[in-house]
Amino acid sequence: SQKIEQNSEALNIQEGKTATLTCNYTNYSPAYLQWYRQDPGRGPVFLLLIRENEKEKRKERLKVTFDTTLKQSLFHITASQPADSATYLCAPAGGSYIPTFGRGTSLIVHP
Amino acid sequence: DADVTQTPRNRITKTGKRIMLECSQTKGHDRMYWYRQDPGLGLRLIYYSFDVKDINKGEISDGYSVSRQAQAKFSLSLESAIPNQTALYFCATSDFQTTRNTGELFFGEGSRLTVL
Repeated sequence: SQKIEQNSEALNIQEGKTATLTCNYTNYSPAYLQWYRQDPGRGPVFLLLIRENEKEKRKERLKVTFDTTLKQSLFHITASQPADSATYLCAPAGGSYIPTFGRGTSLIVHP
Repeated sequence: DADVTQTPRNRITKTGKRIMLECSQTKGHDRMYWYRQDPGLGLRLIYYSFDVKDINKGEISDGYSVSRQAQAKFSLSLESAIPNQTALYFCATSDFQTTRNTGELFFGEGSRLTVL
């Protein structure tokens, strides 16, 4: 069965540093991969999409990479701020365009 | 007003009771989804609907049913609630055009259900 793995331990970093979150998947060949942000008690909010034929995508301070050989996506936030503290969800999707969500990784940015 | 509205936001009920969670959207999207979120398990798809006449089971549909009353409304029912259905439930929407571009799902604020 499809499996999506995100680091279950919270990532703690200092303000101004680059945060890097990892998403690995198995038994899956997604056409694209999305990243969402979720704040406590709120619904997830879409951040970025990267397609299988794209290596890297950028949006402001966010950068996503997608390595279909390693079956891995990396999500980077540069110049992190305390307001970036949240849980980040990885969501690959196949031809049906219905994302399957990982458990998420909690990011805590300390001032 | 929120684009995707879920009611109720919080509900406590007892085992065996019938519960309905409602979702309405003003985004004009054709696709609607129900997800369940449990601590440590992430979001899991219960049911999805690509249009009013289309209903599909997701990963964990047992114990649940849905109704797509209109393009803007998608309800989730628990016919006989049990404690392990205690969870945070999210409704989401997308539309085909957006899907083709970003596949973005728009989520509601969630309905927290507790079954005693």
